[in-house]
Amino acid sequence: SQQGEEDPQALSIQEGENATMNCSYKTSINNLQWYRQNSGRGLVHLILIRSNEREKHSGRLRVTLDTSKKSSSLLITASRAADTASYFCATDAENSGYALNFGKGTSLLVTP
Amino acid sequence: DAGVTQSPTHLIKTRGQQVTLRCSPKSGHDTVSWYQQALGQGPQFIFQYYEEEERQRGNFPDRFSGHQFPNYSSELNVNALLLGDSALYLCASSPGTFGPLHFGNGTRLTVT
Repeated sequence: SQQGEEDPQALSIQEGENATMNCSYKTSINNLQWYRQNSGRGLVHLILIRSNEREKHSGRLRVTLDTSKKSSSLLITASRAADTASYFCATDAENSGYALNFGKGTSLLVTP
Repeated sequence: DAGVTQSPTHLIKTRGQQVTLRCSPKSGHDTVSWYQQALGQGPQFIFQYYEEEERQRGNFPDRFSGHQFPNYSSELNVNALLLGDSALYLCASSPGTFGPLHFGNGTRLTVT
């Protein structure tokens, strides 16, 4: 079963705009990660945020985590056409051992 | 420094046949995990190998089996293929138990 749920399922914006994706999960976690996947290829790790952290930045990426609401958001600032991809959140739940639980993803389209 | 490599990239099999997929982890990584990604879904955890042992298994039937070799490379075997086994099979490696996963580009399996 999938622990995380991303919202929205699809997002279409223009270059230069910001893109925000949300992730909700069900059980307590050790950490939460965001991955990007380009058109049926492998996933690329973007950022990891631990359960005791509230916000993390990496370049144009900003991730927040609210463990009380069991939710996270990924903000991509000043989007580029190259950011077009599917974005997945993955949780390392306290009761899931070594497995990462992925959501269904948000499909982001950035048009020039 | 080569990342995670998977072979073959594409495979077409008939129902009832058996298939073997191969994965070489990123240099320095000793842990290999396998994920199944159906079209439009997030990756689902199949199992993880460490020190040549299956350390954890997801909710997949015994038709799915694996192996890890002393050089940390790994194989995924699927017996008695079903149409529903058609998916992208992703191998991911990591330098330890937890933390970011490095994914290969996957093997696209089509069962007819």
